[in-house]
Amino acid sequence: DAGVTQSPTHLIKTRGQHVTLRCSPISGHKSVSWYQQVLGQGPQFIFQYYEKEERGRGNFPDRFSARQFPNYSSELNVNALLLGDSALYLCASSLVQGGGTEAFFGQGTRLTVV
Amino acid sequence: GESVGLHLPTLSVQEGDNSIINCAYSNSASDYFIWYKQESGKGPQFIIDIRSNMDKRQGQRVTVLLNKTVKHLSLQIAATQPGDSAVYFCAENIGGATNKLIFGTGTLLAVQP
Repeated sequence: DAGVTQSPTHLIKTRGQHVTLRCSPISGHKSVSWYQQVLGQGPQFIFQYYEKEERGRGNFPDRFSARQFPNYSSELNVNALLLGDSALYLCASSLVQGGGTEAFFGQGTRLTVV
Repeated sequence: GESVGLHLPTLSVQEGDNSIINCAYSNSASDYFIWYKQESGKGPQFIIDIRSNMDKRQGQRVTVLLNKTVKHLSLQIAATQPGDSAVYFCAENIGGATNKLIFGTGTLLAVQP
């Protein structure tokens, strides 16, 4: 079975541009969460989506948005990119929403803003 | 505030020795914990989890211990191998309707051959 897949794997953008990152969860998993991992730090929670609805949001500006599709895949969008947005963006897949549910991560998208 | 912290940022062990990685958490409401292994350039890999109604759980070569009294979590790796070299994160979940995980900063485990 395929794990969590993310695309693209690497991306270089210029300040002020917009970026869209994509995630496909493990087959049968209905919950997708997004995390930002800055070099040398642990992942920071951005969003959780379940059944196409936002179920949780971390402390990130409105430039960050996401959505989930009927097939449970998800997109993370970031507008007006800043240098500080350079990070590894991780998608995590869970069977259901709610605490106590195993979360499995994809390989991430390495975003570099220049 | 929310925080999950690690006592040792770097741990160096000899191949074949046992490793112990520690983690402190601050939210007494947290009821689910996961240990992840992250190799360079890869996403975090699920190792083992434990719920707050347990104090110990064993997997293959790994054991997680939970002490709710002092809000402390540890990961024990038996017979550490070079392939175990990575950054290890503990993560906590406060339960309820969210899957949100709060991660610490990580511990780098370096296994010397």
